[in-house]
Amino acid sequence: KAGVTQTPRYLIKTRGQQVTLSCSPISGHRSVSWYQQTPGQGLQFLFEYFSETQRNKGNFPGRFSGRQFSNSRSEMNVSTLELGDSALYLCASSPDPGYEQYFGPGTRLTVT
Amino acid sequence: KQEVTQIPAALSVPEGENLVLNCSFTDSAIYNLQWFRQDPGKGLTSLLLIQSSQREQTSGRLNASLDKSSGRSTLYIAASQPGDSATYLCAVSVYGGSQGNLIFGKGTKLSVKP
Repeated sequence: KAGVTQTPRYLIKTRGQQVTLSCSPISGHRSVSWYQQTPGQGLQFLFEYFSETQRNKGNFPGRFSGRQFSNSRSEMNVSTLELGDSALYLCASSPDPGYEQYFGPGTRLTVT
Repeated sequence: KQEVTQIPAALSVPEGENLVLNCSFTDSAIYNLQWFRQDPGKGLTSLLLIQSSQREQTSGRLNASLDKSSGRSTLYIAASQPGDSATYLCAVSVYGGSQGNLIFGKGTKLSVKP
């Protein structure tokens, strides 16, 4: 089976712009979670989707949003980018919530 | 609020040594605990998942144990190799919320010297 794929792998944006990141889960997996990783804060949970519904959201401002499509693929959006949004954004999929999570390679976002 | 701590933050050992990485969590009401490794600039690779009802899991040279009552998990690596050099992260998911929400420790950066 192909693993979790994330596109794009690298992204450079300017403050104030918005960005969309994409995640394709492992075939058959219905749950997708997103995480932000920074050197200072480590890995922090952003949100989780299951059957096109957001089940939970981490402690991030409303500028961070996401969605899941009927084929389980997911996107996350960040609007009005700030320098502090520079991070590695990781997507993980699992068959259902609570099962083992498998991570993609991440999208490295740099905000200048 | 669940907090996950990993000690030490960094560890350097000679090749062939057996080693133990530690993970502690503050709330014993966990759903499961997962160990990952992360190579520099890369995503996470799942190593082992321990359900809350289990005491340990093994995969090859890796053995993870879970003691919910004391809020501790250990990852034992036997006969370490230079290829084991990476950052090791533990994460827990909790009841009462979204089980898809993993709470991570800051990791232990392992260096295995040839």
